[in-house]
Amino acid sequence: DIQMTQSPSSVSASVGDRVSITCRASQGISSLLAWYQQKPGKAPKLLIYAASSLQSGVPSRFSGSGSGTDFILTISSLQPEDFATYFCQQAYSFPVTFGGGTKVEIK
Amino acid sequence: EVQVVESGGGLVTPGGSLRLSCAVSGFSFSHAWMNWVRQAPGKGLEWIGIIKSKSDGGTTAYAAPVKGRFVISRDDSKNTLYLQMNNLQTDDRGIYYCTTYDSYFFDSWGQGMLVTVSS
Repeated sequence: DIQMTQSPSSVSASVGDRVSITCRASQGISSLLAWYQQKPGKAPKLLIYAASSLQSGVPSRFSGSGSGTDFILTISSLQPEDFATYFCQQAYSFPVTFGGGTKVEIK
Repeated sequence: EVQVVESGGGLVTPGGSLRLSCAVSGFSFSHAWMNWVRQAPGKGLEWIGIIKSKSDGGTTAYAAPVKGRFVISRDDSKNTLYLQMNNLQTDDRGIYYCTTYDSYFFDSWGQGMLVTVSS
């Protein structure tokens, strides 16, 4: 199975900050990576797919980059509604696997 | 707009069975590959399994922890996905999500259904 490692596990930031979250795959996964946002009590929401493609309706302050084993989710200017947990997911091979999550908290 | 609505969760004793349903509307269900993903309390996301569309063979694949105990099926006439869970264990407790699957990614999710396994 492909292991997905996210870092940091949590980050404290202020509104307006630039935040970056890293996801590393245990083997190369090309660009078959997605990022999801999950708020408490809610289902995950797809933000980024194919490593860098923005899902329809997602604000442009979210961006993704990377390929192979190393990926980054960047929020260019953190907004109050962005405080949530973020997960990466590899789609290169079954079983599909997720990163452990990164909680973005208010500083 | 795609709508995904799960039902059928609840409390079951260890070793028991439960069937979850997922009603989908707003897109072509019969052509869709569908998945189940779960989340233990306070934990991350865990993929459970997938079912392909009938036109793509209708085959299923499962994660190791549930293989042989869980069965995913679909009724395209009802736009409904099912998850039959047998021999449930305490480690199976959590929120179960039904998701659509578009080009390898989970693009629409249901609200989630709580499954509690306890004696």
